[in-house]
Amino acid sequence: NAGVMQNPRHLVRRRGQEARLRCSPMKGHSHVYWYRQLPEEGLKFMVYLQKENIIDESGMPKERFSAEFPKEGPSILRIQQVVRGDSAAYFCASSGPGQGNQPQHFGDGTRLSIL
Amino acid sequence: KQEVTQIPAALSVPEGENLVLNCSFTDSAIYNLQWFRQDPGKGLTSLLLIQSSQREQTSGRLNASLDKSSGRSTLYIAASQPGDSATYLCAVIYSNSGYALNFGKGTSLLVTP
Repeated sequence: NAGVMQNPRHLVRRRGQEARLRCSPMKGHSHVYWYRQLPEEGLKFMVYLQKENIIDESGMPKERFSAEFPKEGPSILRIQQVVRGDSAAYFCASSGPGQGNQPQHFGDGTRLSIL
Repeated sequence: KQEVTQIPAALSVPEGENLVLNCSFTDSAIYNLQWFRQDPGKGLTSLLLIQSSQREQTSGRLNASLDKSSGRSTLYIAASQPGDSATYLCAVIYSNSGYALNFGKGTSLLVTP
């Protein structure tokens, strides 16, 4: 019973390039959440998606960041024109139906480093 | 501002001790509270989920309590082992903030043999 799968585990990009982070939720889960953990800070919510819909993107930076969860395939967090301040660990979580009543299960994260 | 605070930030105990980790939150209107464990370089492992209507949850040597009125939760670890060494995170879903988990900064626990 595979858990939440994120890839790549580590990603290195130069300033100005694009970063694409992938997340496959646990089997049977249709709710996906993205969080960011900056150095020396706690995890911060970014976006909540269900299949083909963005439900809450209140934690997403206004520019350069976007997320999708298509009908088929993994959820993607896309960062365009990356800057040094984007260096962080990005975690994906998934949950079953029931929203706030269900635990969120996390992947191992993608560590993004910007040169 | 809705915040989650964890005390202490770090804790070191000898093996075998019982210990308590504390979590406080600023608004009693919550959906649930979840305790996680994070090992270095790894993701988060869900330990316990307490619904807003519940007072406590237990799993093995772990017991988590919830007191909404005072905005507090505790995670009790019995008979600690070196393998319990990790960062423990408390997270709350506030009723008026959608479905986002609001995290504390964690308690870094070291259990020495």
